[in-house]
Amino acid sequence: QSALTQPASVSGSPGQSITISCTGTSDDVGGYALVSWYQQFPGKAPNLLIYEVNKRPSGVSPRFSGSKSGSTASLTISGLQAEDEADYYCCSFAVTSAFVFGTGTTVTVL
Amino acid sequence: QITLKESGPTLVRPTQTLTLTCSFSGFSLSTNEVGVGWIRQPPGKALEWLALIYWDGDKRLSPSLKTRLTIAKDTSRNQVVLTMTNVDPADTATYYCGHRPHDHLVFDSWGQGILVTVSS
Repeated sequence: QSALTQPASVSGSPGQSITISCTGTSDDVGGYALVSWYQQFPGKAPNLLIYEVNKRPSGVSPRFSGSKSGSTASLTISGLQAEDEADYYCCSFAVTSAFVFGTGTTVTVL
Repeated sequence: QITLKESGPTLVRPTQTLTLTCSFSGFSLSTNEVGVGWIRQPPGKALEWLALIYWDGDKRLSPSLKTRLTIAKDTSRNQVVLTMTNVDPADTATYYCGHRPHDHLVFDSWGQGILVTVSS
């Protein structure tokens, strides 16, 4: 099972919106509405941001939103803030395994 | 409140077997659909899912590592054990365990992680 493909880095200015893509296949992202996103700060464990494509756990800011089209899922951060600087990982159910993670994206706030 | 904590050796020699324990509280691994999984992250690299065990003992293993991995649970002690045989320096990583809730295919709580170095 190959990792899902994400851009290595995305940057934006405070207040802007940015979008991180996550590309898979019909065996994972494209076949199931089971995409999740995690935020990870340096030296810390990941934290769940989005599940089932576009649902937010309690306590997660509405500035974070998810979507999916075909085999590509996306995470959008609206009103970018300095505190959003972190690594972001997508994850999906995969037919050949329970989970497959993405390659990870570093978000930089300019 | 759900908490998880990984424990085990922080230095392992190549070809040895690595055994990691995830001790948890705040949930029971006898509850329907609940699971505990393992995920690792080599220094500076991406997350990689390794294994998952469900409340009923059903197991899922990463296809690329399945010949080297074993996962088991001790429900009475609230522990899940991951075993990896024939370790290599490429297995150097921070190993996390995570809680899979009954209603969603995610890890909604994670341990702090344990850095395991494979070196002679």
